[in-house]
Order: sequence, then structure tokens, then C-alpha cells
Amino acid sequence: GAVVSQHPSRVICKSGTSVKIECRSLDFQATTMFWYRQFPKQSLMLMATSNEGSKATYEQGVEKDKFLINHASLTLSTLTVTSAHPEDSSFYICSARERDSPLNTEAFFGQGTRLTVV
Amino acid sequence: GQNIDQPTEMTATEGAIVQINCTYQTSGFNGLFWYQQHAGEAPTFLSYNVLDGLEEKGRFSSFLSRSKGYSYLLLKELQMKDSASYLCAVRGLYNQGGKLIFGQGTELSVKP
Repeated sequence: GAVVSQHPSRVICKSGTSVKIECRSLDFQATTMFWYRQFPKQSLMLMATSNEGSKATYEQGVEKDKFLINHASLTLSTLTVTSAHPEDSSFYICSARERDSPLNTEAFFGQGTRLTVV
Repeated sequence: GQNIDQPTEMTATEGAIVQINCTYQTSGFNGLFWYQQHAGEAPTFLSYNVLDGLEEKGRFSSFLSRSKGYSYLLLKELQMKDSASYLCAVRGLYNQGGKLIFGQGTELSVKP
């Protein structure tokens, strides 16, 4: 199946700094990528939908100025957590759909990034 | 609004059969997915239903009733490695990018 690579897998940062997470589709073109956040023992909460070449669409309650999303190419989307605080510590996961894929196509997930803000 | 409900946790015995239910109320529907997720890992795809009925894939089967907003995942011949969280997800309207909305997940514990 298609491969989505997410980097880094783990990151620890100081409060107030920014962290960038990359999501790459390795063997397919992804016009749309999704960013999720998952707190311990909870399900995946969609944060935003990232479209190549246009602005991301954020879910209600997600601060677009704090979670900056850039989808500059058909194989790369980045999520930057700006001015991170301990409450931003979470598991961040991206997923991607292949360009022009039918609706019954699964979304392929990256390995996830465990962010810890100290 | 969007609402997807699953039981929080279930326990079953190795070799047995377990059924995990999911009910949903969403503003659009373009299919329902089941994913398996082990702790600290990304979800892995199990099944997809868009028409009513049963889809079987090895030890796993998934059922959908669109009129009832209901699905279940059936796991047969349970193995210890099946202990994981099982996520029900509904795909929204295509003009929303086909995004997936997830339920809270069902933590399944398989015991010897």
C-alpha cells in the first residue's frame, strides 16, 4: 500500500518555542492531507484539512495562527506548532489521500509525532 | 452536527468472537471505515463499507445499515495480538475533502 512518512516521531521542546512536523507521501501524490491530534486514551480529533496550493481548512476551535499548515507540494505538508505550551503535548498524526482516488480509498496514515512540551 | 458513538472498552477471551458496535449521525456520508490502532502507533486500515450489508475479510467482518446509522466490526478467532483500540470513522462529503470523522475508539482487551 501507499506510504506516508511523518517526521520526527518524537520531539521534546521548551515552552514558547515552535516545532515543525513534516508529512510526506512517498509513492503517490496527495492533493489533500489531514492533520489530527490525539490525547491519551482518546480518539483522533481532526484539526485541519490541508490542500496543495491553497489555504488549509481548520476545524472549529483550532487556532489557525497557532497551528500553521503549509502544503507547498503534492508530496509534502507541514504542521508548525507555534509558541508551544505544555497543553499542546499530544500525539499528532497526518493522513493523506491519493490524488483523484475514489471515495472508497482508505486514507494512509503517517507514523505519528509524539510532542512533549516542557 | 457530527456524532459517532462506540463503547469505550470491551473484554473478550482468546479464540472467541467479539462484536464492536458503532452508531453515527453525520451531516454527510460517503462510507464508514474501521481502523485498528495499537498504543503509540498510527491507525491501520481494516475495512470499508458504503452500501448496506456485510463485508468479510478473513477474521474480520464489518456490517453497515445506513438507514439505522449503525455499523459493527466482528472479530473471530480472537488472538492476543488483537488487543488494541478499534476506531470507527465516517467519511464526509466529497466537497469537504473526504475527511474522516472518528469515534472515540473502543479499547479491546483479549485475555487468555
